[in-house]
Amino acid sequence: GAVVSQHPSWVICKSGTSVKIECRSLDFQATTMFWYRQFPKQSLMLMATSNEGSKATYEQGVEKDKFLINHASLTLSTLTVTSAHPEDSSFYICSAIVTARGRSTDTQYFGPGTRLTVL
Amino acid sequence: EDQVTQSPEALRLQEGESSSLNCSYTVSGLRGLFWYRQDPGKGPEFLFTLYSAGEEKEKERLKATLTKKESFLHITAPKPEDSATYLCAVQAMGGSRLTFGEGTQLTVNP
Repeated sequence: GAVVSQHPSWVICKSGTSVKIECRSLDFQATTMFWYRQFPKQSLMLMATSNEGSKATYEQGVEKDKFLINHASLTLSTLTVTSAHPEDSSFYICSAIVTARGRSTDTQYFGPGTRLTVL
Repeated sequence: EDQVTQSPEALRLQEGESSSLNCSYTVSGLRGLFWYRQDPGKGPEFLFTLYSAGEEKEKERLKATLTKKESFLHITAPKPEDSATYLCAVQAMGGSRLTFGEGTQLTVNP
């Protein structure tokens, strides 16, 4: 199956600092990756769609200047939470769509998630 | 706007007690309906994709079915290791984003 990794798995930072989360597709290429956040006892909320080589598309209400997304290669997308505050504490999960022979399938494979705690 | 409603919110079963989880949806042209399993503190794990009404897919003790308005995830003779939150999501034609339901938290007691 398609494997997606995230690093780090958890991070604790002070308010006002920036945190970078990496999402990698390990055994496949992904032209499209997605970033979600999940609060306790709630479902996944899509934050943005990340396309390799182009700007990310953000969902309504998500601050693009606060959540910087870079999809620089077919196997790596990064999410940087800038000037983090306690309300940014959450579980951040990425997903990727398999791309084969230039075409994307429709199944999203998810990473293990990153727990961010902002003090 | 695409919508997904899952029921029940939580379900407790005894080991071996079969049951079903429901996922009702409205979508502007269904490209696919997806079932995922999520364990606490982990990302969702892909289970099934269903594309058209009448389609069924099975994996071990799980069987997913699809109609034009809803999907069921049937769990036959569940075991404690089946305990997890099961998420349903729809994907509309022309796109790849998913709209998720709130999930059903399943607990299987030994």
